[in-house]
Amino acid sequence: AQSVTQLDSHVSVSEGTPVLLRCNYSSSYSPSLFWYVQHPNKGLQLLLKYTSAATLVKGINGFEAEFKKSETSFHLTKPSAHMSDAAEYFCVVSLPNSGYALNFGKGTSLLVTP
Amino acid sequence: ETGVTQTPRHLVMGMTNKKSLKCEQHLGHNAMYWYKQSAKKPLELMFVYNFKEQTENNSVPSRFSPECPNSSHLFLHLHTLQPEDSALYLCASSQDLTGEYTIYFGEGSWLTVV
Repeated sequence: AQSVTQLDSHVSVSEGTPVLLRCNYSSSYSPSLFWYVQHPNKGLQLLLKYTSAATLVKGINGFEAEFKKSETSFHLTKPSAHMSDAAEYFCVVSLPNSGYALNFGKGTSLLVTP
Repeated sequence: ETGVTQTPRHLVMGMTNKKSLKCEQHLGHNAMYWYKQSAKKPLELMFVYNFKEQTENNSVPSRFSPECPNSSHLFLHLHTLQPEDSALYLCASSQDLTGEYTIYFGEGSWLTVV
Protein backbone atom coordinates (compact mmCIF):
# COMPACT_ATOMS: atom_id res chain seq x y z
CA ALA A 1 0.00 0.00 0.00
CA GLN A 2 1.20 3.47 -0.87
CA SER A 3 2.36 5.17 2.32
CA VAL A 4 2.89 8.58 0.76
CA THR A 5 0.63 10.38 -1.71
CA GLN A 6 1.46 13.52 -3.61
CA LEU A 7 -1.86 15.00 -4.54
CA ASP A 8 -0.78 16.85 -7.68
CA SER A 9 1.35 15.45 -10.47
CA HIS A 10 1.83 18.93 -11.99
CA VAL A 11 1.71 22.40 -10.45
CA SER A 12 2.13 25.62 -12.40
CA VAL A 13 2.75 28.99 -10.75
CA SER A 14 3.85 32.41 -11.90
CA GLU A 15 7.21 33.74 -10.81
CA GLY A 16 6.85 35.64 -7.55
CA THR A 17 3.67 33.85 -6.43
CA PRO A 18 3.42 31.29 -3.61
CA VAL A 19 4.13 27.62 -4.09
CA LEU A 20 2.13 24.82 -2.45
CA LEU A 21 2.99 21.18 -3.10
CA ARG A 22 0.75 18.78 -1.23
CA CYS A 23 1.71 15.52 0.43
CA ASN A 24 -0.21 13.11 2.64
CA TYR A 25 1.17 10.05 4.35
CA SER A 26 -0.31 7.02 6.00
CA SER A 27 1.38 5.50 9.03
CA SER A 28 0.54 4.18 12.47
CA TYR A 29 4.05 5.00 13.60
CA SER A 30 5.89 8.26 13.98
CA PRO A 31 7.40 8.80 10.54
CA SER A 32 10.38 10.72 9.37
CA LEU A 33 9.38 12.89 6.44
CA PHE A 34 11.48 14.48 3.73
CA TRP A 35 11.15 16.61 0.64
CA TYR A 36 13.67 16.08 -2.14
CA VAL A 37 14.06 18.07 -5.34
CA GLN A 38 15.35 16.79 -8.66
CA HIS A 39 16.39 19.20 -11.38
CA PRO A 40 16.59 17.91 -14.96
CA ASN A 41 19.38 15.39 -15.46
CA LYS A 42 20.43 15.69 -11.84
CA GLY A 43 20.25 13.49 -8.77
CA LEU A 44 17.99 14.17 -5.80
CA GLN A 45 18.81 16.94 -3.36
CA LEU A 46 17.38 17.13 0.14
CA LEU A 47 15.25 20.24 0.70
CA LEU A 48 14.21 19.58 4.28
CA LYS A 49 13.33 16.86 6.76
CA TYR A 50 11.08 16.30 9.75
CA THR A 51 12.20 13.87 12.45
CA SER A 52 9.85 14.50 15.41
CA ALA A 53 11.26 17.86 16.46
CA ALA A 54 9.63 21.18 15.49
CA THR A 55 6.56 20.68 13.31
CA LEU A 56 7.45 23.62 11.07
CA VAL A 57 10.59 22.73 9.21
CA LYS A 58 12.66 25.23 7.26
CA GLY A 59 14.75 24.03 4.37
CA ILE A 60 17.03 25.36 1.70
CA ASN A 61 16.14 27.92 -0.96
CA GLY A 62 13.30 29.42 1.09
CA PHE A 63 11.18 26.27 1.25
CA GLU A 64 9.42 25.10 4.37
CA ALA A 65 6.99 22.37 5.33
CA GLU A 66 4.63 21.81 8.23
CA PHE A 67 3.99 18.42 9.78
CA LYS A 68 0.31 18.11 10.73
CA LYS A 69 -0.35 14.84 12.48
CA SER A 70 -4.11 15.37 12.65
CA GLU A 71 -4.26 15.76 8.88
CA THR A 72 -1.41 13.30 8.14
CA SER A 73 0.04 15.96 5.87
CA PHE A 74 3.45 17.42 5.14
CA HIS A 75 2.84 20.10 2.51
CA LEU A 76 5.75 22.03 1.01
CA THR A 77 5.48 25.79 0.64
CA LYS A 78 7.49 28.76 -0.53
CA PRO A 79 6.27 32.36 -0.36
CA SER A 80 7.63 33.44 -3.74
CA ALA A 81 8.58 31.19 -6.63
CA HIS A 82 11.74 31.69 -8.68
CA MET A 83 12.33 30.41 -12.17
CA SER A 84 15.10 28.21 -10.79
CA ASP A 85 12.54 26.35 -8.62
CA ALA A 86 11.19 24.55 -11.70
CA ALA A 87 11.93 20.89 -11.00
CA GLU A 88 10.44 17.61 -9.81
CA TYR A 89 9.66 17.44 -6.10
CA PHE A 90 9.36 14.22 -4.12
CA CYS A 91 7.72 13.72 -0.76
CA VAL A 92 9.35 10.85 1.10
CA VAL A 93 8.46 8.94 4.24
CA SER A 94 10.72 6.74 6.31
CA LEU A 95 8.96 4.27 8.57
CA PRO A 96 10.48 2.38 11.48
CA ASN A 97 8.38 -0.68 10.74
CA SER A 98 9.94 -1.00 7.28
CA GLY A 99 13.56 -0.78 8.33
CA TYR A 100 13.55 2.97 7.71
CA ALA A 101 13.51 2.40 3.95
CA LEU A 102 12.55 5.52 2.06
CA ASN A 103 9.13 5.41 0.42
CA PHE A 104 8.87 7.95 -2.37
CA GLY A 105 5.79 9.67 -3.66
CA LYS A 106 5.25 9.76 -7.40
CA GLY A 107 6.54 13.31 -7.61
CA THR A 108 5.12 16.72 -8.44
CA SER A 109 6.46 18.59 -11.42
CA LEU A 110 6.64 22.32 -10.67
CA LEU A 111 6.50 24.70 -13.60
CA VAL A 112 7.30 28.37 -13.00
CA THR A 113 6.17 30.80 -15.67
CA PRO A 114 7.51 34.35 -16.17
CA GLU B 1 28.20 17.99 -5.27
CA THR B 2 26.72 15.58 -2.73
CA GLY B 3 29.78 13.44 -2.12
CA VAL B 4 28.25 10.49 -3.96
CA THR B 5 29.77 9.85 -7.39
CA GLN B 6 28.31 7.54 -10.01
CA THR B 7 29.95 6.28 -13.19
CA PRO B 8 29.21 6.06 -16.00
CA ARG B 9 26.61 8.80 -16.26
CA HIS B 10 25.20 7.29 -19.43
CA LEU B 11 25.31 3.69 -20.63
CA VAL B 12 23.82 2.00 -23.68
CA MET B 13 23.99 -1.76 -23.73
CA GLY B 14 22.60 -4.65 -25.70
CA MET B 15 20.51 -7.34 -24.09
CA THR B 16 23.38 -9.84 -24.18
CA ASN B 17 26.02 -7.49 -22.77
CA LYS B 18 27.55 -7.50 -19.31
CA LYS B 19 28.24 -4.12 -17.79
CA SER B 20 28.60 -2.57 -14.34
CA LEU B 21 27.56 0.65 -12.67
CA LYS B 22 29.86 2.08 -10.03
CA CYS B 23 29.13 4.23 -7.03
CA GLU B 24 31.60 5.82 -4.64
CA GLN B 25 30.92 7.93 -1.58
CA HIS B 26 33.41 10.13 0.24
CA LEU B 27 31.19 10.89 3.22
CA GLY B 28 32.28 8.16 5.61
CA HIS B 29 28.80 6.64 5.54
CA ASN B 30 28.02 3.06 6.48
CA ALA B 31 24.88 2.46 4.44
CA MET B 32 24.58 2.48 0.65
CA TYR B 33 21.59 2.00 -1.62
CA TRP B 34 20.59 1.39 -5.22
CA TYR B 35 17.34 2.93 -6.46
CA LYS B 36 15.66 2.66 -9.85
CA GLN B 37 13.82 5.64 -11.31
CA SER B 38 11.58 4.87 -14.27
CA ALA B 39 9.34 7.28 -16.10
CA LYS B 40 5.97 7.81 -14.41
CA LYS B 41 6.80 5.54 -11.47
CA PRO B 42 7.91 6.28 -7.92
CA LEU B 43 11.53 5.62 -7.10
CA GLU B 44 11.99 1.96 -6.33
CA LEU B 45 14.42 0.77 -3.72
CA MET B 46 16.47 -2.12 -5.12
CA PHE B 47 19.21 -2.97 -2.63
CA VAL B 48 20.49 -1.79 0.73
CA TYR B 49 23.90 -2.44 2.22
CA ASN B 50 24.92 -1.61 5.76
CA PHE B 51 28.54 -2.11 6.81
CA LYS B 52 29.09 -4.02 3.52
CA GLU B 53 26.33 -6.50 4.31
CA GLN B 54 23.21 -6.66 2.18
CA THR B 55 20.19 -5.95 4.35
CA GLU B 56 17.54 -5.52 1.68
CA ASN B 57 16.81 -7.06 -1.70
CA ASN B 58 13.51 -5.68 -2.86
CA SER B 59 12.55 -8.62 -5.09
CA VAL B 60 14.98 -7.53 -7.76
CA PRO B 61 15.54 -9.92 -10.70
CA SER B 62 18.80 -11.82 -10.65
CA ARG B 63 19.98 -10.08 -13.82
CA PHE B 64 20.88 -7.26 -11.42
CA SER B 65 23.71 -8.27 -9.10
CA PRO B 66 25.01 -5.84 -6.46
CA GLU B 67 28.46 -5.88 -4.93
CA CYS B 68 29.74 -3.91 -1.96
CA PRO B 69 33.48 -4.54 -1.45
CA ASN B 70 33.76 -1.87 1.24
CA SER B 71 31.64 0.84 2.83
CA SER B 72 32.74 3.42 0.25
CA HIS B 73 32.02 1.51 -2.95
CA LEU B 74 28.94 -0.08 -4.41
CA PHE B 75 28.55 -1.75 -7.78
CA LEU B 76 25.56 -2.91 -9.77
CA HIS B 77 26.47 -5.66 -12.23
CA LEU B 78 24.14 -5.95 -15.20
CA HIS B 79 23.65 -9.06 -17.31
CA THR B 80 21.08 -10.01 -19.98
CA LEU B 81 18.90 -7.02 -19.28
CA GLN B 82 15.57 -6.28 -20.94
CA PRO B 83 14.47 -3.04 -22.63
CA GLU B 84 12.11 -2.36 -19.71
CA ASP B 85 15.18 -2.12 -17.48
CA SER B 86 16.06 1.17 -19.17
CA ALA B 87 15.91 3.76 -16.40
CA LEU B 88 17.91 6.11 -14.22
CA TYR B 89 19.76 4.17 -11.54
CA LEU B 90 20.50 6.20 -8.45
CA CYS B 91 23.04 5.36 -5.81
CA ALA B 92 22.69 6.84 -2.34
CA SER B 93 24.36 6.68 1.05
CA SER B 94 23.60 7.56 4.64
CA GLN B 95 25.42 7.47 7.95
CA ASP B 96 23.26 4.65 9.20
CA LEU B 97 19.96 2.94 8.49
CA THR B 98 17.87 4.81 11.05
CA GLY B 99 15.39 7.38 9.78
CA GLU B 100 17.23 10.19 11.55
CA TYR B 101 19.98 10.36 8.96
CA THR B 102 19.77 12.12 5.65
CA ILE B 103 20.23 10.03 2.53
CA TYR B 104 22.49 11.61 -0.06
CA PHE B 105 22.02 10.74 -3.72
CA GLY B 106 24.39 10.65 -6.64
CA GLU B 107 23.42 12.16 -9.98
CA GLY B 108 22.52 8.78 -11.39
CA SER B 109 23.47 6.55 -14.27
CA TRP B 110 21.15 6.67 -17.28
CA LEU B 111 20.84 3.15 -18.65
CA THR B 112 19.40 2.35 -22.06
CA VAL B 113 18.95 -1.29 -23.04
CA VAL B 114 18.63 -1.88 -26.77
